[in-house]
Amino acid sequence: ETGVTQTPRHLVMGMTNKKSLKCEQHLGHNAMYWYKQSAKKPLELMFVYSLEERVENNSVPSRFSPECPNSSHLFLHLHTLQPEDSALYLCASSQGDRGRTQYFGPGTRLTVL
Amino acid sequence: GENVEQHPSTLSVQEGDSAVIKCTYSDSASNYFPWYKQELGKRPQLIIDIRSNVGEKKDQRIAVTLNKTAKHFSLHITETQPEDSAVYFCAAKRGATNKLIFGTGTLLAVQP
Repeated sequence: ETGVTQTPRHLVMGMTNKKSLKCEQHLGHNAMYWYKQSAKKPLELMFVYSLEERVENNSVPSRFSPECPNSSHLFLHLHTLQPEDSALYLCASSQGDRGRTQYFGPGTRLTVL
Repeated sequence: GENVEQHPSTLSVQEGDSAVIKCTYSDSASNYFPWYKQELGKRPQLIIDIRSNVGEKKDQRIAVTLNKTAKHFSLHITETQPEDSAVYFCAAKRGATNKLIFGTGTLLAVQP
C-alpha cells in the first residue's frame, strides 16, 4: 500500500532522546492528522493540519511538536518523552479541510524506556 | 464534552452468525459516522460510513443504521467469516470540523 506511509515502523527511545516520526501521503489530500493509539483507549486525536496550517491541537504536551512543511508531509518531533507516551502513533490524511474519509498510515510503534 | 460510547468491547460469534456493534454519541450536531476495521498489526481502514440524512446503508454483508433521535448508530455484519475477526471502531464527526471522535473499539472474534 502506498497511500499513506509512515517511518519508522518501530522506534525505541530513551527519555532523554530526540527523535522524529515521518508521515507522507500520496493521495493529493490537503489535511493531515496525528493520532495516538494506546491499549484499551479510543484513538486520540493529537493534531490536525489543513492546508499546512495547524487547526487543531488537542492539549498535547509540548514534548510532542508537529511540523507540516507541505501538504504531503507531516512530522512529529519527540523529545524528553515519558514511558506513558509508549503507543502506536498513526498518521491520517483526508481531502478538504473538513474532509470526511480519513485514510490511515500503518503507524509507528513507539516504546519509551 | 464530545464522546462516543461503543459496546460491546469484545464479541465472539460462530462463523455464519451475525454480529452487531452499537455506538452512542453525545454531540447532536454530529452528521457523519464512519466505521473502521483494524486487523492485528495493521492500520484502521474505513469499511462503511453513513451521513445524518440517511437512516441505513448497506454494502454486501455490512450495514449501518442510524437513529438520530436516540443518537445511536450500529454496525451489522451478516454471515460472518473468520477474516472478519478484527477490532472495529465507530466514530462521529461534527460537520464544521475535521475532528473524528472515536469509540473505544470492539474486538470481534469469529470462530470457525
